[in-house]
Amino acid sequence: AQKVTQAQTEISVVEKEDVTLDCVYETRDTTYYLFWYKQPPSGELVFLIRRNSFDEQNEISGRYSWNFQKSTSSFNFTITASQVVDSAVYFCALSEAQNYGQNFVFGPGTRLSVLP
Amino acid sequence: GAVVSQHPSWVICKSGTSVKIECRSLDFQATTMFWYRQFPKQSLMLMATSNEGSKATYEQGVEKDKFLINHASLTLSTLTVTSAHPEDSSFYICSASYDRPSTDTQYFGPGTRLTVL
Repeated sequence: AQKVTQAQTEISVVEKEDVTLDCVYETRDTTYYLFWYKQPPSGELVFLIRRNSFDEQNEISGRYSWNFQKSTSSFNFTITASQVVDSAVYFCALSEAQNYGQNFVFGPGTRLSVLP
Repeated sequence: GAVVSQHPSWVICKSGTSVKIECRSLDFQATTMFWYRQFPKQSLMLMATSNEGSKATYEQGVEKDKFLINHASLTLSTLTVTSAHPEDSSFYICSASYDRPSTDTQYFGPGTRLTVL
């Protein structure tokens, strides 16, 4: 069965610090997709990244970067030089390819607070 | 592209009344729509999956008679919370996916906050 674990329930950092949000997943499929979403206080989910299981290249987008390690079933997310606007709940999610986008499993989320 | 809207964005109702929430895919045809529920400070929990023109598939523990889902067209799904009670107060989020070989993503609506008094 699929499972996503985000061990950090809440993190507080001071602005300009770097912060890494952990995500560990479980799946029996060899083909799957991993996602990160941001949920600001407004509630709307903001899509950040999608990664398929065959692409282990790390990705950088501005201040955001992602480290995908199949060997440890982890897909960690790092924010560099954090800003107050980064304060939100961040969800990691897993989807197994055979279901074509169905059966999204979300992790419990990590609440990030960036203090000025 | 791939925009999903929900209406209303928030609703307050009295206990015992029914509330309908609409989920629309604005610029694509959604063969599958999903309904999630999110309690405060918790993660999203899938309630049901609906395919256009067929009955919804409910997750274990979700009362199908209480949460009526209709997916009448490729761009619209509705969730009706019947005889709502305070414990039904939650944030309801829909998402949609379209049927392409490379499809692996759900597109999420902005959510509807339901408060039952």
